[in-house]
Parts: sequence; structure tokens; C-alpha cells
Amino acid sequence: DIEMTQSPSTLSASVGDRVTITCRASQTITDWLAWYQQKPGKAPKLLIYRASGLETGVPSRFSGSGSGTEFTLTISSLQPDDFATYYCQQYYTYSNTFGQGTKLEIK
Amino acid sequence: EVQLEESGGGLVQPGRSLRLSCEVSGFTFEDYGIHWVRQVPGKGLEWVSGISWKSGNTAYADFVKGRFTISRDQAKNSLYLQMNSLKTEDTALYYCAKGSIVAITVAIRGDLFDFWGQGTMVTVSA
Repeated sequence: DIEMTQSPSTLSASVGDRVTITCRASQTITDWLAWYQQKPGKAPKLLIYRASGLETGVPSRFSGSGSGTEFTLTISSLQPDDFATYYCQQYYTYSNTFGQGTKLEIK
Repeated sequence: EVQLEESGGGLVQPGRSLRLSCEVSGFTFEDYGIHWVRQVPGKGLEWVSGISWKSGNTAYADFVKGRFTISRDQAKNSLYLQMNSLKTEDTALYYCAKGSIVAITVAIRGDLFDFWGQGTMVTVSA
């Protein structure tokens, strides 16, 4: 199975900061990568598809990039609503594996 | 409006069985896959199983193969997960999620999940 590794596991930042989360795949997944946001007690929400495609309704301060084995999710200017846990997920193979998550905390 | 609503969770002893249900509505689900994804409270997400709604093609994570069976009832717009030989490590919140890739064969390629239910909790404990 393809393993997905996110870094950092926890990120402390302030409103207005630019932040980047990294996701690495154990083998190439071309650009079959999605990013999700999850808030406590809620289901995950799809943010990014195909590594860089912005899901409908997601604010443009979110962006994704990368291909092959290394990917990033960037939030250009953190808003209070963005403090949450973020997951990457590969869908190159049917095992659909997720990263372990990155918790974005208020500094 | 796309809606997925899970039910059937509860407390069950190790080795016993449980059947989860997910009622879906609001989209042409014949074109998509529908999946189960689970999450141990406070931990990460794990894909469990998926089914191509139209063809009935199925796929499973290795850790549930031979124990769990996914199925659907097209007339009732419902998805099911029959869970047998449950283990304590199966304790989790189980989400039903709509796949985003059109005309997918879930056993061949991966999928991403654009709509989710609120989940149903399964606790396996003696």
C-alpha cells in the first residue's frame, strides 16, 4: 500500500499568517491527491482535488501544488475559521490512503 | 442537496456482528462510488470499503477483507456494511462518503470523497 506522510503533525500560527503543510507519498501518485479539512465533531470537507484543483465553494486563500511524491497545501492568509485538522489522501490506487493529519492551532 | 445519513452503530462484543446502513439522496448516485471511511476518535481517517453503485463492483481495505461486506439496495437508495468477526481495533466512527469520480470501478482505481455523512459510532468491547 502507498503510505502518506504529512508534516508537521502540529502547526501553531496566527491569523494572517501564510502556512504550508507538506504531504509525501511512498511512491509516485502522479497528481491523484486530495486535501480535506476537518473540524472537531464534524465530517471532513474536501478542499483540493487532483493536487491543485480548488473544490467549488472553497476560498481562494487555499491552494495546492505538487506531483509525483511531494505535495503542499498552502493557506495564504489564515482566517479564524481555518484552525482545524488537515488531511491529504491519495487516490492513485484503490486503497485510498490518508496522511496522519496536521493540526493547525492558534498561536 | 446531497445527503448521506448513517445508522446502525452501537456497542458490540468482540467476535460478534453489526450491520451499518447509509441512506443516500440528492444526486445521480448510479454514476458514482459510495464508500465507508472510519476514524478512531482523536485519530486519523481510514478508508474501509467502497462500491460502484451501478455495477456493484466492490473493494476493501486489507484489514477488513474477509470480515466486512459492502452492499447496496438500489430500490431503497441505501448502502450497507455488514461487519463480522469484529475486533476491538474496529472501534471507530464510521462515515458514509460519496465518491467524486464518475463511472468509477472502485476495485481498480482510487476515489476522493466530496460529500460525507455525520457518521455512526461502533464500539467493540467486552
